[in-house]
Parts: sequence; C-alpha cells; structure tokens
Amino acid sequence: AQSVAQPEDQVNVAEGNPLTVKCTYSVSGNPYLFWYVQYPNRGLQFLLKYITGDNLVKGSYGFEAEFNKSQTSFHLKKPSALVSDSALYFCAVRPLSGGYNKLIFGAGTRLAVHP
Amino acid sequence: IAGITQAPTSQILAAGRRMTLRCTQDMRHNAMYWYRQDLGLGLRLIHYSNTAGTTGKGEVPDGYSVSRANTDDFPLTLASAVPSQTSVYFCASSDYTGELFFGEGSRLTVL
Repeated sequence: AQSVAQPEDQVNVAEGNPLTVKCTYSVSGNPYLFWYVQYPNRGLQFLLKYITGDNLVKGSYGFEAEFNKSQTSFHLKKPSALVSDSALYFCAVRPLSGGYNKLIFGAGTRLAVHP
Repeated sequence: IAGITQAPTSQILAAGRRMTLRCTQDMRHNAMYWYRQDLGLGLRLIHYSNTAGTTGKGEVPDGYSVSRANTDDFPLTLASAVPSQTSVYFCASSDYTGELFFGEGSRLTVL
C-alpha cells in the first residue's frame, strides 16, 4: 500500500539552531512531494514542492527540502529556527500517474521552537 | 482575495441530524476536495471533484455526500450525523501547478 511516514510526532529545537522534520514515503513510480504547515486553528498552507529537477527545493519562510530517491525521503530543513516556526507540519506525496485525489498525507509532526 | 471560504466555522450537532458544510472558492480552480483531520491520522480525503459536474469518492466517503453544480461551490452533506464524524473538516482546491489551497476549517462535534 502507498504511504507516507513522518516518524516523529514532535520535534523540539532551540531558536537559532537548525531544524529537520523527517518524511519518508512508499509510492509507485516517481512522486510529486509537498510540505504544508498548519498554525493553530488555521487551514494548511503550502510551503514547497518537488516535481522534478534539482533535489534541493527552496520554499516559503526560509524552509527547504531535499529529495533523496534512493532513501525515498523528503526531509524538511531550515538553517536557523524561529519561535514563529512552531506549528504542525505535513508531508504529502502524490504518485506521478495519479490525480490530486491520490495525494497522501503523513500524520503530521509538531515542531516546537524554544526561545 | 478570499480564496476558500468555509461555513460554519464551528457546529455542535445532535446525532441523526442532517448537516451541510459549505465551501466556496473565488480562484476558479477546477479541482476541489473535502478532507477530515483527526489527531494522529493526518488528513484523509472524503470526496473530490475534478471539475464542475463531476465528483469522486476519496479514502473515507461513507456517510458523506457532495455535489458540484458550479465551479465555485462544493458543499459536503452528512445525511445522518454520527459521533464518529466529529472532526475538523477542510475544503481545498488546487490549481494546475498542484498546489492545494485550504480553507480555515469547520469544526464539527456530533453528540
């Protein structure tokens, strides 16, 4: 079965330190990969996506993500965390041959950035 | 630009009652979706519509129905609500680039 795994329920990091939120996937073929962020009592907001090309993708708010085909991973990173980055982060994967009704979300990782 | 507008933002409903969650977009996107968000389960697709006049079933369609009479509106109906339908419901649309645009959510409690 196709799936997306976010192995950490919560990630804690000190402000100013680098952060990584992990995502691995199991889908057939080459996927489209996405990261979304959700602030409390809000809808999800798009951060970045990988379709093709350079494995390192840069997105909103200083975030970036690296596509690793051999490890089937798409980890979200930021060089220097801010307290305002504290939120719920979702990885999502869509098989290349599928429509957006085939988008699969991970369970989410809560990022807590401490002053 | 409003994007996706959902109503109501919050509702408490007695089991067995009928409820319609409204969703309107002003971006002229062809595709629209309804998701439910439950703790530890992420987002699960309920129903979707690739274009006006067509709908399809997602991962968890039972107990829900949708219609897509025009491009802008995509209401979700619970014909007879049950407590397991207590959740936060998100409507979304997508453009040709694949980016999803979400509404702010409708929090539904079924007692």
